[in-house]
Amino acid sequence: GPKVLQIPSHQIIDMGQMVTLNCDPVSNHLYFYWYKQILGQQMEFLVNFYNGKVMEKSKLFKDQFSVERPDGSYFTLKIQPTALEDSAVYFCASRTDRGNTLYFGAGTRLSVL
Amino acid sequence: GDSVTQTEGLVTLTEGLPVMLNCTYQTIYSNPFLFWYVHYLNESPRLLLKSSTDNKRTEHQGFHATLHKSSSSFHLQKSSAQLSDSALYYCALSGPNTDKVVFGTGTRLQVSP
Repeated sequence: GPKVLQIPSHQIIDMGQMVTLNCDPVSNHLYFYWYKQILGQQMEFLVNFYNGKVMEKSKLFKDQFSVERPDGSYFTLKIQPTALEDSAVYFCASRTDRGNTLYFGAGTRLSVL
Repeated sequence: GDSVTQTEGLVTLTEGLPVMLNCTYQTIYSNPFLFWYVHYLNESPRLLLKSSTDNKRTEHQGFHATLHKSSSSFHLQKSSAQLSDSALYYCALSGPNTDKVVFGTGTRLQVSP
């Protein structure tokens, strides 16, 4: 089936540094999402992105977070600067249209030290 | 706003017993889409079931669910649990006119011999 790729699978950084999480969504998909899952907890919505714009974001999407997809390449989540509480698994997802199935990547585990 | 409620955080079962995971929702949309996603350890969350029309049952891989608009529910069921069903199950909601996909808090299903 369709695959969403996330690079890297694990990232370790020092608090205060910048980090960029990369997502290669399914090629014909138009809607893109980031979700955050802290160890042992549920997956929580961060942001969704369509047509080059953030459509909706949650309270978890702090000012230090940003997303973009320049020229149809990777859909990225940037955190600058990082904080200890940003340690989590971040899942990228995409879909073709509203109401359709979300396809998830395998997640990037971010460890902020 | 839209919300999804999964009342059980953890369900433990013996192999062979029936499975029922609860999901209720609130939404302004008269025709919402409801989904069940399954998340196995160290894998990507993936679609298990998507709702059809009101009161119509949908089935996949031995699991089934029926959207009941009258009770705003989309419970997941299976007649006989297998060890391989052990995973985290998310109920999710989307509307035809929204980009957002709202997830419930998830139910961890643990099946033992």
